Amino acid sequence: GQQLNQSPQSMFIQEGEDVSMNCTSSSIFNTWLWYKQDPGEGPVLLIALYKAGELTSNGRLTAQFGITRKDSFLNISASIPSDVGIYFCAGPPRGGGSNYKLTFGKGTLLTVNP
Amino acid sequence: GAVVSQHPSWVICKSGTSVKIECRSLDFQATTMFWYRQFPKQSLMLMATSNEGSKATYEQGVEKDKFLINHASLTLSTLTVTSAHPEDSSFYICSANRELNSPLHFGNGTRLTVT
Repeated sequence: GQQLNQSPQSMFIQEGEDVSMNCTSSSIFNTWLWYKQDPGEGPVLLIALYKAGELTSNGRLTAQFGITRKDSFLNISASIPSDVGIYFCAGPPRGGGSNYKLTFGKGTLLTVNP
Repeated sequence: GAVVSQHPSWVICKSGTSVKIECRSLDFQATTMFWYRQFPKQSLMLMATSNEGSKATYEQGVEKDKFLINHASLTLSTLTVTSAHPEDSSFYICSANRELNSPLHFGNGTRLTVT
């Protein structure tokens, strides 16, 4: 099946710093999604990308759908303590279909030191 | 606000007993819901697709007789872990999408601990 390689696995940064994480796949994805998961809770959708080359922002978050359709990155600017959590990239299998099953990356654990 | 509600948020049960977890879509109808499992420090793994009015579709390696799924209405899917064992202890998360091919929204998860 399709696999997503997400990096880095973890990051330790100081408050105010910018953060970048990315996701790559050997297969083409038609949609890239970025989720954040806080401890003990379900993932929350941050940004959805639907077109190759698309660059989308959500507040301090910016994500891009790679032109090759095999990668995506997520940037967080001016990090704050509440940005702490696990960030997952995800995407549906090619063709999508009525069953919107998702493949998830392994996640990036972000720690922000005040 | 939340669009998918999951209950209970945590449960502790004894080995050999069964546990039911509910997943509800709020203010929309979901003909399809998805059940994921997440072990500590790992990613989410799809267990099964719950289909309203028909049988669930299970992913490879997931025992359908152990993880019973019932999608009784357009807003409710239930996952029953039968004859639970300690290795079934995990974080179970359901999800649904408002519209066909729109991004999934997830419930807050259920932490199952089997003693």
